[in-house]
Amino acid sequence: QKEVEQNSGPLSVPEGAIASLNCTYSDRGSQSFFWYRQYSGKSPELIMSIYSNGDKEDGRFTAQLNKASQYVSLLIRDSQPSDSATYLCAVRGGGSNYKLTFGKGTLLTVNP
Amino acid sequence: EPEVTQTPSHQVTQMGQEVILRCVPISNHLYFYWYRQILGQKVEFLVSFYNNEISEKSEIFDDQFSVERPDGSNFTLKIRSTKLEDSAMYFCASSRQGASYEQYFGPGTRLTVT
Repeated sequence: QKEVEQNSGPLSVPEGAIASLNCTYSDRGSQSFFWYRQYSGKSPELIMSIYSNGDKEDGRFTAQLNKASQYVSLLIRDSQPSDSATYLCAVRGGGSNYKLTFGKGTLLTVNP
Repeated sequence: EPEVTQTPSHQVTQMGQEVILRCVPISNHLYFYWYRQILGQKVEFLVSFYNNEISEKSEIFDDQFSVERPDGSNFTLKIRSTKLEDSAMYFCASSRQGASYEQYFGPGTRLTVT
């Protein structure tokens, strides 16, 4: 059973701080890694994708991937109250299977 | 910006009835997916579809479920005889290609089985 694990939180940070979200995965052959944001009652919204080891930055978001440690993280700089949501880590396995396996998500609360 | 659309937003049905959930994927996308999320639980993969056939399905996607692309724009999920445990949010997603391409999700259909 291929698993994606995340701390469920809640993670609470003050406005303007850096929020750090972590994810580990069990399938060593995984190829692609995604972070989605999900507001309560809404659908997952893609915010970052990362495919190779290292860091990838997009605005206030930085995704980090370490395939040797089977670890993905998301940093949110200058956190805003509007960033308050559940952040889902999703992993695509290797080969020709394109399904995403999701973690349960980490609830982030940014306090004004 | 193109987006995935889904109808209806909320469907209430009685146990044993058939339901069809509809999706219009992003127009230049070739891969289509259905996921579901039971309240308070993780998003779960149901099925992927490419070139007018199922490319992968999960153990959840049993004989009660079917998918179809009846025309050039719609992608449907049919549940033949609904059960109480089918109550969930159903999300359609699409991607331009399969490998290493992002999947974009529609707003979802909330299915309530009574």
